[in-house]
Amino acid sequence: GAVVSQHPSWVICKSGTSVKIECRSLDFQATTMFWYRQFPKQSLMLMATSNEGSKATYEQGVEKDKFLINHASLTLSTLTVTSAHPEDSSFYICSASVPGQGARGIQYFGAGTRLSVL
Amino acid sequence: SQQGEEDPQALSIQEGENATMNCSYKTSINNLQWYRQNSGRGLVHLILIRSNEREKHSGRLRVTLDTSKKSSSLLITASRAADTASYFCATARTSGTYKYIFGTGTRLKVLA
Repeated sequence: GAVVSQHPSWVICKSGTSVKIECRSLDFQATTMFWYRQFPKQSLMLMATSNEGSKATYEQGVEKDKFLINHASLTLSTLTVTSAHPEDSSFYICSASVPGQGARGIQYFGAGTRLSVL
Repeated sequence: SQQGEEDPQALSIQEGENATMNCSYKTSINNLQWYRQNSGRGLVHLILIRSNEREKHSGRLRVTLDTSKKSSSLLITASRAADTASYFCATARTSGTYKYIFGTGTRLKVLA
């Protein structure tokens, strides 16, 4: 089956530093990946759609300068939280769909990254 | 908000009982999917039902879709303690940008 790897699984950082989260499709090429944010006991909120070779599409209310997304290859998308603050502490999850199914096909999720900003 | 609503928000049942969760959504959809999330983990796909389908089965899972009511239900039969998780529905729109709208989720606890 399709596997998406997300790294790191847990990161603790000081306020003001930047954190990079990687999302890799291990056994397929993903032209589109999605980044979500999830607060405790709440649903997933889509932050942005990452397209290989082009700029990411951000959802309304998401600061693109704060959450930098790079999708430089067909197997890797990165989310960088710049100048992190405690309010950025959250669970971040990426997903990708298998080509051929279309972006409305099954989403394969990474295991998530728990970010704690001190 | 375009987010779908799920009910109940939380459900606690005994092992062996059936669990039913409902999902309502707001826009026209291409398909609806159900996912499971264990605490602190990513989501795992359970089942996809297309807009022209009314019912689908997969093992102990049964999903129904009523596009006229913009609602879906997930039934887990003969539940097990390992089914304890949060369950989310996600809808893919028929047009516009490709993105998924996730429901608010149901936290299921199956007691052994």
